[in-house]
Amino acid sequence: SQTIHQWPATLVQPVGSPLSLECTVEGTSNPNLYWYRQAAGRGLQLLFYSVGIGQISSEVPQNLSASRPQDRQFILSSKKLLLSDSGFYLCAGIGAVYGYTFGSGTRLTVV
Amino acid sequence: RKEVEQDPGPFNVPEGATVAFNCTYSNSASQSFFWYRQDCRKEPKLLMSVYSSGNEDGRFTAQLNRASQYISLLIRDSKLSDSATYLCAGGGYNKLIFGAGTRLAVHP
Repeated sequence: SQTIHQWPATLVQPVGSPLSLECTVEGTSNPNLYWYRQAAGRGLQLLFYSVGIGQISSEVPQNLSASRPQDRQFILSSKKLLLSDSGFYLCAGIGAVYGYTFGSGTRLTVV
Repeated sequence: RKEVEQDPGPFNVPEGATVAFNCTYSNSASQSFFWYRQDCRKEPKLLMSVYSSGNEDGRFTAQLNRASQYISLLIRDSKLSDSATYLCAGGGYNKLIFGAGTRLAVHP
């Protein structure tokens, strides 16, 4: 079965600092991968998705970018964090037909 | 209008009660639908898929109404451990759009 790994679990970063969150997948090959953000008390917002290496679709224009350097690796980045980037970042895998499996998430606080 | 909408709740119910959540979606092209459960400060976990013919798993029943563009989740005989936020999701093969979630609090 598929497992999604995310780290770190918690991160506190100053405004203007860079960000790199990594997501890796076990148990499947060529998965669709997704980055979602959940602001406090809010729903899940789809940020990026990738159907393969080097293929990134951006859903919301913002201060973030994503990359898929390897089949089972999906990275979320920012060059300069904003206060509004705070939230719970979740990586997910597998296509909508079978439902998503989520990683355990990274709780980012920008201070 | 949001693509997927849910009543945020909270729904406060006693143990043993039956509770139902509805979720509406605006994209008629959506093909797949799911209910997820999310505990506080945790990731969402897949509860069940939703089919037009209905889908039952123990105390949980999910239903899709394509004509009215809504999905529902029925929880029978509520347990304290059912307290959580329930997210509905719908979409196509490449992506799912989630509702903001409905909070359920089951009390003794």
